[in-house]
This record gives sequence, C-alpha cells and structure tokens, in this order.
Amino acid sequence: GENVEQHPSTLSVQEGDSAVIKCTYSDSASNYFPWYKQELGKRPQLIIDIRSNVGEKKDQRIAVTLNKTAKHFSLHITETQPEDSAVYFCAARGTNAGKSTFGDGTTLTVKP
Amino acid sequence: ETGVTQTPRHLVMGMTNKKSLKCEQHLGHNAMYWYKQSAKKPLELMFVYNFKEQTENNSVPSRFSPECPNSSHLFLHLHTLQPEDSALYLCASSQQQLAGAGLGSYNEQFFGPGTRLTVL
Repeated sequence: GENVEQHPSTLSVQEGDSAVIKCTYSDSASNYFPWYKQELGKRPQLIIDIRSNVGEKKDQRIAVTLNKTAKHFSLHITETQPEDSAVYFCAARGTNAGKSTFGDGTTLTVKP
Repeated sequence: ETGVTQTPRHLVMGMTNKKSLKCEQHLGHNAMYWYKQSAKKPLELMFVYNFKEQTENNSVPSRFSPECPNSSHLFLHLHTLQPEDSALYLCASSQQQLAGAGLGSYNEQFFGPGTRLTVL
C-alpha cells in the first residue's frame, strides 16, 4: 500500500519568513496530492492540491511542487503570518476508490 | 460550515457500553470516510464507502462497525472499546467520479468537526 512520510514534524519560523514542508510517497500510481490545514480544535481543511500532470501550483502565499520521478512534493508558505500556525497534513491518493494516505502532520508555529 | 455534520461532538463511554457515531453530509457527495485522529497516528483512515458500498476496511478491529444506509449518512457503531480507542473520530465526504470518466477519481475531501471519544 501507499506510504507517505512528512518532514519536519515541527517547524517554527519568524513572522514574514518562509516555511517549507516536504512529503515523500511510495506508490507511483498516486496521482492526487492535497494539503490540509488543521487549526487547533478544528477540522482539517484543504488549502491547496496538485495533480500528477502538473509540476507546480500557486495560490497567493502558498505553493506546492511535485516531483513525480523522485516521488516527493512540498508545500511552500511565503510571508508567514501568525494565523498560519496550525498542523499541516499532506496526502497522496491513487485511483483506488479515492483512498488517501496522510502524512503524520507538521506543526507549524509562526512567531510574531 | 454545515456541509458535513457529526454527532455527538463529545462522547464518554465505558468499555462495556455500546454507542454509535453519526455523520451526515449535505453536499451531494457519493463517498464517505471514517478517520481516527490520535496523538500516535494523526490521521488514520478506517473505512471508505463509495456509492454506499464499503470499498476499504483498513484493518480496523471488529469492535468498530460502520454502516452506510444511504450516500448522505454514515454511522460508526462502537462496542467493547478499549481505552486506547480514545481519539477524535472524523468523518469526511467527497465526490468520486465514475470509472471511465477519464478524469480520475480524485477530489477534495470535506471533513466534519469530529467526535471526541473518551473510553474509560
């Protein structure tokens, strides 16, 4: 089955700095890679996703890159703000009935 | 947000109790999921239902029993749980495309608020 590894498990940055979270996956058939943000006490919510036919996607301060050959994808947050503080999960999904495998999460803390 | 609702939001039960968690989605989706979120394994897929049929059982102990009577409702029946089953149980839904649609079956999952379960 799919195995997703996410690093780092915790990340602390100063407000205004950039943050990068990386994930690797094992199943080359995976073709959809969403990123979820979960604030304390709240549900996970999709913030950005990328499909395997695209190498990079950007939405304002967040971007995701995908390297299919190396089987890794990364989340980039620029000009971080305290409200970006949350747990971020990556996931990889193949065509098998929509099953997603999640990474273990990264706790991002943005210090003002 | 009321797209995916879960009840109860908090549940405390003894090891000999039987209880059920309920999930309802109002998004017209055709796939629903149960996840367990704990400190040990932050997001762990338990069950997947597509078009009311269970398509995934991720080696979940039989003390957890899912039920999907229609594409809008999903239940998780609990009996003789263990203290290590204490966790946040999240329901999610998504719109899965039919096989052969040519666009793959991947779509965003919308999560409910979760049920915080404590087993004494």
